[in-house]
Amino acid sequence: QVQLVQSGSEVKNPGSSVKVSCQVSGGSLSTYTFAWVRQAPGRGLEWVGRIIPILALTDYTQKFQGRITLTADKSTGTAYMTLSRLESEDTAMYYCAREEARAIVEWGQGTLVTVSS
Amino acid sequence: EIVLTQSPGTLSLSPGERATLSCRASQSVSSDSLSWYQQKPGQAPTLLLYGASRRAPDIPDRFSGGGSGTDFTLTISRLEPEDFAVYYCLHYGTPGTFGQGTKVEVK
Repeated sequence: QVQLVQSGSEVKNPGSSVKVSCQVSGGSLSTYTFAWVRQAPGRGLEWVGRIIPILALTDYTQKFQGRITLTADKSTGTAYMTLSRLESEDTAMYYCAREEARAIVEWGQGTLVTVSS
Repeated sequence: EIVLTQSPGTLSLSPGERATLSCRASQSVSSDSLSWYQQKPGQAPTLLLYGASRRAPDIPDRFSGGGSGTDFTLTISRLEPEDFAVYYCLHYGTPGTFGQGTKVEVK
């Protein structure tokens, strides 16, 4: 059973960056595709981006272009999401998730990122 | 980018009733790329259906899905107490997009 374990909550100042990690256990990171999804408090799900580690391919929603970087470290089996130039509107729960059969089949527990001065 | 519109925003029903949720795409999409998720408060979402109509492992058969092109539906044949939650559709695309969600609440 593949499990995704994310890093802990973060509190960041506006204008700074945050890096969230997603450790894969029970499987090889290289064989999977990962999506990142966020959810602002009381709001719906928002697709952020995707990384295919074995192809070193990434895909981002346009609104995050230029601010987001998705990476993967095959040696440690960890995927990362870095979001820069943070604004208060970026306060949200960030989920990493595994894709398969053109759907999201597994979700991490979520990482709460709070942007506040 | 595909836009998914879910309706209604809120569905007020009683246990035992049938729930029909709609997900409409701004342009035709492949059925293989449409999936449905359930989310309960304080929890991560869980996959219910993929390929528009295929149930994920361990999902009860009271959940069913259908549709094609731009119109897709999720049906819960008889609501159980644990089914009251928020439901999202997702288009697996480049990029992916979620609908805004339908809340199924107790009437």
